[in-house]
Amino acid sequence: DQQVKQNSPSLSVQEGRISILNCDYTNSMFDYFLWYKKYPAEGPTFLISISSIKDKNEDGRFTVFLNKSAKHLSLHIVPSQPGDSAVYFCAATDYGQNFVFGPGTRLSVLP
Amino acid sequence: GAVVSQHPSWVICKSGTSVKIECRSLDFQATTMFWYRQFPKQSLMLMATSNEGSKATYEQGVEKDKFLINHASLTLSTLTVTSAHPEDSSFYICSAPGLAGGTGELFFGEGSRLTVL
Repeated sequence: DQQVKQNSPSLSVQEGRISILNCDYTNSMFDYFLWYKKYPAEGPTFLISISSIKDKNEDGRFTVFLNKSAKHLSLHIVPSQPGDSAVYFCAATDYGQNFVFGPGTRLSVLP
Repeated sequence: GAVVSQHPSWVICKSGTSVKIECRSLDFQATTMFWYRQFPKQSLMLMATSNEGSKATYEQGVEKDKFLINHASLTLSTLTVTSAHPEDSSFYICSAPGLAGGTGELFFGEGSRLTVL
């Protein structure tokens, strides 16, 4: 049973447009959520995070939204750039004890 | 910021040999480290949780005798793939929580690509 789901395995967006990556979770004990970006043959790199006490966190072109009642979070990238093409993993943790990753969404930003 | 270093980044070995991969936290202490495996175009698969000074906790389906994990110090965890076979060829990644016991960021190593001939 997947505790963290990313239902879109891939997403293609035109350069300059907004990319929206979605993530759903089932465990109500999760209190902190993170997004990681991964290029082929490299380890994931941290992108942005959000605590369960917030509903939005913004860092430059990246914004994460959290809807606790729906157990849903999303990552918005605007404007999207070709260098953003990568696999994005959503992760959730329960007080730092366990980190659970989603299956990932492959984003392709087309020039 | 915190950095996790993994070595080697790429290793090729003959079938039947053992390969050791090191994961080091460079500027912080990590009582816990996580080891993941990633097959091409697939997600990260948690293999085991490495605990400093105690035995590692393995995920279901992961062979303990095959993938030996040692967390001898607060800055070093090692994964040894014993008697490697071609099906063990994969991308292995380690990570460590940045804040002990907290909900801080998880820092990842660069990954190690293992190819078993």
